[in-house]
Amino acid sequence: GAGVSQTPSNKVTEKGKYVELRCDPISGHTALYWYRQSLGQGPEFLIYFQGTGAADDSGLPNDRFFAVRPEGSVSTLKIQRTERGDSAVYLCASSRQGSYNEQFFGPGTRLTVL
Amino acid sequence: SQQGEEDPQALSIQEGENATMNCSYKTSINNLQWYRQNSGRGLVHLILIRSNEREKHSGRLRVTLDTSKKSSSLLITASRAADTASYFCATDGRGSNYKLTFGKGTLLTVNP
Repeated sequence: GAGVSQTPSNKVTEKGKYVELRCDPISGHTALYWYRQSLGQGPEFLIYFQGTGAADDSGLPNDRFFAVRPEGSVSTLKIQRTERGDSAVYLCASSRQGSYNEQFFGPGTRLTVL
Repeated sequence: SQQGEEDPQALSIQEGENATMNCSYKTSINNLQWYRQNSGRGLVHLILIRSNEREKHSGRLRVTLDTSKKSSSLLITASRAADTASYFCATDGRGSNYKLTFGKGTLLTVNP
């Protein structure tokens, strides 16, 4: 079946601009996660959705970052006033309810802020 | 913050040899997992070992877990060029089992 998909695969933007990154989870997966991976590092947790609500957004670095999942399926990660330090690969994952440790990852969106 | 720390940071071997990567972590865990990542993109889940397990096998993979030392190892036997990738360990902790904490990874290069 189809895996997690993320669009766009690459995004280049200028400092100060607003960007939206989209994640389509595996059908039927109620849990959705966003991670950020900087060059040479492992992924770092940003936010976790159970259904439509953000159950844990403790990993969001500051209030420029926001994520939504209005219908409990597709999620959008929104970054306002982008900074060069936001450049990273943004990974989305999904899992079945109750199977939190079996997360299936998408290919990621590589964000470059010039 | 990074909980797991893999070592070595980079490993280069010949096809057919075995590759061993290690991971250490700091706090109590529920489970430890190993992931593979090609070309800095999507992560592929390899194997999960629970905190009450000591060893697990899957094909050419063997994972051990020593909770007293807070460490795990991943052994890939009879390596192939296609095994070239970065390997990460990830832990999930009690009370936040949905939040995976990854190490910095080991870059494995298998030379044909």
